Amino acid sequence: QSALTQPPSASGSPGQSVTISCTGTSSDVGAYNNVSWYQQYPGKAPKPMIHEVSKRPSGVPDRFSGSKSGNTASLTVSGLQAEDEADYYCCSNAGSNNWVFGGGTKLTVL
Amino acid sequence: QVQLVQSGAEVKKPGASVKVSCKASGYTFSDYNMHWVRQAPGQGLEWMGRIVPKSGGTNYAQKFQGRVTMTRDTSITTVYMELSSLRSDDTAVYYCARGDKFFFEYWGQGTLVTVSS
Repeated sequence: QSALTQPPSASGSPGQSVTISCTGTSSDVGAYNNVSWYQQYPGKAPKPMIHEVSKRPSGVPDRFSGSKSGNTASLTVSGLQAEDEADYYCCSNAGSNNWVFGGGTKLTVL
Repeated sequence: QVQLVQSGAEVKKPGASVKVSCKASGYTFSDYNMHWVRQAPGQGLEWMGRIVPKSGGTNYAQKFQGRVTMTRDTSITTVYMELSSLRSDDTAVYYCARGDKFFFEYWGQGTLVTVSS
């Protein structure tokens, strides 16, 4: 199972919007609406920000949104804030009780 | 509140095995699957496998088949991940994460396993 493809980096200025893509295949991202996104600060455990493509867990600001088209999922962060600077990982179910993560994207707030 | 507390850091020699524990509390242990995810230094997240606490059934990522064993002890609400034939590239932080239907909502604090001669 190959990792999902994410851009290594993304950036934006405070208040702007940034979108991070996550490309898989018809066997994972394209096959299931089970894409999730995780935020990770250095030295900390990941925190879920989006599940089932576009649902936000309790407590996650509505500045974070998710979508999917075909084999590509996306995470959009609107109204960027300094605290959004972190690494972001997508994850998808890949069938047969298997899961696969993306390589991660480092988001920089300029 | 849900808590996943993992065992402490380990240093192992190449070829050895390591067993990491993850004690769950704050919820009904048998109601949720537990997954293991690792992260090598400066690298991304990698799913290793999962265990179904109710039955003990497991699913492992193909990459780890034959080297990883996940078990649980329901009497103490603890799951274990044992990785054998350790190599230097197994040096990583290992996380347990509770599987909530289709995502990992709660994570342990991570356990650093260092493989070095």
